[in-house]
Amino acid sequence: AQSVSQHNHHVILSEAASLELGCNYSYGGTVNLFWYVQYPGQHLQLLLKYFSGDPLVKGIKGFEAEFIKSKFSFNLRKPSVQWSDTAEYFCAVNARGGATNKLIFGTGTLLAVQP
Amino acid sequence: NAGVTQTPKFQVLKTGQSMTLQCAQDMNHNSMYWYRQDPGMGLRLIYYSASEGTTDKGEVPNGYNVSRLNKREFSLRLESAAPSQTSVYFCASTPRRGPGDQPQHFGDGTRLSIL
Repeated sequence: AQSVSQHNHHVILSEAASLELGCNYSYGGTVNLFWYVQYPGQHLQLLLKYFSGDPLVKGIKGFEAEFIKSKFSFNLRKPSVQWSDTAEYFCAVNARGGATNKLIFGTGTLLAVQP
Repeated sequence: NAGVTQTPKFQVLKTGQSMTLQCAQDMNHNSMYWYRQDPGMGLRLIYYSASEGTTDKGEVPNGYNVSRLNKREFSLRLESAAPSQTSVYFCASTPRRGPGDQPQHFGDGTRLSIL
């Protein structure tokens, strides 16, 4: 069965600090990988996705993530965070070619950026 | 604006009451999903509908039923609400039935409290 682990549950950073949020998954087959962001009081929005090709993917708002197949990881990064990045971040995975698009989510990382 | 619409946004129920959460999407998507979001547990899939006329159980289906009324609408019913069902419920949709390489579009959520 697929599973997703996000090891950082709470992260507190000052503005301009660099960010890296860890995400590891377990699945024997080929996967699609996603990062979603949920701003306070809002619904989940897609931040970036990896389907195939270049393992370094760039998303909105300066975020990027790198797929390292050998480590089953898909860590999210941003060189310099802003106060407006305060949100909860979810990593998610589904089986590529699957018939149902079922997503498995990690438990989320709550990021607080201090001005 | 196009997207996923959930009603109601907030609801308080007493234990044992029944309720139906409504979800509609106007993007002509085939697949629809219901999740619940609880602190420290991320999003867990309750039920999904890969296409009109089909529904399947997700990770936490107990205590819930669903109806895919037509291509646009996918409702979630609590027949006898329990305090353990206090949660935020999200509906989501994706364009096609497969393959599993599409991001999901989320609604704004329904915040449900069971007393």
